[in-house]
Amino acid sequence: QKEVEQNSGPLSVPEGAIASLNCTYSDQGSQSFFWYRQYSGKSPELIMFIYSNGDKEDGRFTAQLNKASQYVSLLIRDSQPSDSATYLCAVGGTSYGKLTFGQGTILTVHP
Amino acid sequence: DGGITQSPKYLFRKEGQNVTLSCEQNLNHDAMYWYRQDPGQGLRLIYYSQIVNDFQKGDIAEGYSVSREKKESFPLTVTSAQKNPTAFYLCASSMRTGLTDTQYFGPGTRLTVL
Repeated sequence: QKEVEQNSGPLSVPEGAIASLNCTYSDQGSQSFFWYRQYSGKSPELIMFIYSNGDKEDGRFTAQLNKASQYVSLLIRDSQPSDSATYLCAVGGTSYGKLTFGQGTILTVHP
Repeated sequence: DGGITQSPKYLFRKEGQNVTLSCEQNLNHDAMYWYRQDPGQGLRLIYYSQIVNDFQKGDIAEGYSVSREKKESFPLTVTSAQKNPTAFYLCASSMRTGLTDTQYFGPGTRLTVL
């Protein structure tokens, strides 16, 4: 059974701080890694994906991947109250298009 | 205006009824997916289809059925055999971007069994 585990929440950070969201996966054959943001009552929206070891930056977001440790993280710099949402980690394996999702981490950014 | 549409937004079902959820996309994506999300949970894959007239079971296909007669459409039927169908249902489609297949989601249908 392929598993994706996210750090338990909820996670609360002050406005302007760095929020760190973590995800581990069990399938060593995993090739692609995605972070989605989901506001309450809404559908997930893609933040970014990564498939090479190292860091990938997009604006205030940085995804970090370490395949040896089977670990992927998302850093949100200068956190804003509008970043308050559930963040879903998703991992793709060798099967075309199939993703396994973590249970999500609730992030609250307080003013 | 490209995107993925799902209808209806809210659906109420009596026990013993079959209901069909609609999913349409005009993104020219080949693959489409159906997920179920329960409160406080991640997404679980019900069915997926990589091409027209072909689909595969996901992790929780029991009590559900699908069809893929057109590239743009992937309807999901929740049958009376599904024991606990109350959930948020999400349809997605994907395109290949380099080495990855990036999935994009529709707005979802919230199904409640009365």
